Amino acid sequence: AQSVTQLDSHVSVSEGTPVLLRCNYSSSYSPSLFWYVQHPNKGLQLLLKYTSAATLVKGINGFEAEFKKSETSFHLTKPSAHMSDAAEYFCVVSFPSGSARQLTFGSGTQLTVLP
Amino acid sequence: DVKVTQSSRYLVKRTGEKVFLECVQDMDHENMFWYRQDPGLGLRLIYFSYDVKMKEKGDIPEGYSVSREKKERFSLILESASTNQTSMYLCASSLRAARGNYGYTFGSGTRLTVV
Repeated sequence: AQSVTQLDSHVSVSEGTPVLLRCNYSSSYSPSLFWYVQHPNKGLQLLLKYTSAATLVKGINGFEAEFKKSETSFHLTKPSAHMSDAAEYFCVVSFPSGSARQLTFGSGTQLTVLP
Repeated sequence: DVKVTQSSRYLVKRTGEKVFLECVQDMDHENMFWYRQDPGLGLRLIYFSYDVKMKEKGDIPEGYSVSREKKERFSLILESASTNQTSMYLCASSLRAARGNYGYTFGSGTRLTVV
């Protein structure tokens, strides 16, 4: 069975400092992994995705994530936080191809950026 | 710009009412999904559809039904609304899995309050 665990429900950083949002997954197959962001009262927007190409994935707005198979992790990072990064972030793992029920969502990490 | 459009941003309904939430996508996607989002629980899959007139139960289908009469439209129906169905409802669509795993495109959500 597939599962995904976001290790922190809340993360607080100061503007200009690095961001680290942690995600571990469990999958019997080689997974596809995604990070989505949700700003207040908005839908979810795709930040980046890993689909078995390069292990370091670059996304929008300066975010990146590294797929580490040995650690079953897919942590999201950004070198310098901006106030506009305050949002909820979801780590997502994909079911194997052929299933319409494709994605399993983590429970989310709320990122607060302090001035 | 491709879109998933949910017809209502906010809804307030009375207990026992029959409620319809509508979702339309313009990307010719085969798969469509309904999730509910609650604090601390992340996104939970209610129903999904992989083709016109086809539907499958997700993790929490009780109290809900769906309809997909046309490829672009996927409706969520609350047969008899109850206060525990107060939530944010998110619609999403995606290409069929065999055509590549590109993730989902989400609508902006409908915040339903049942009083």
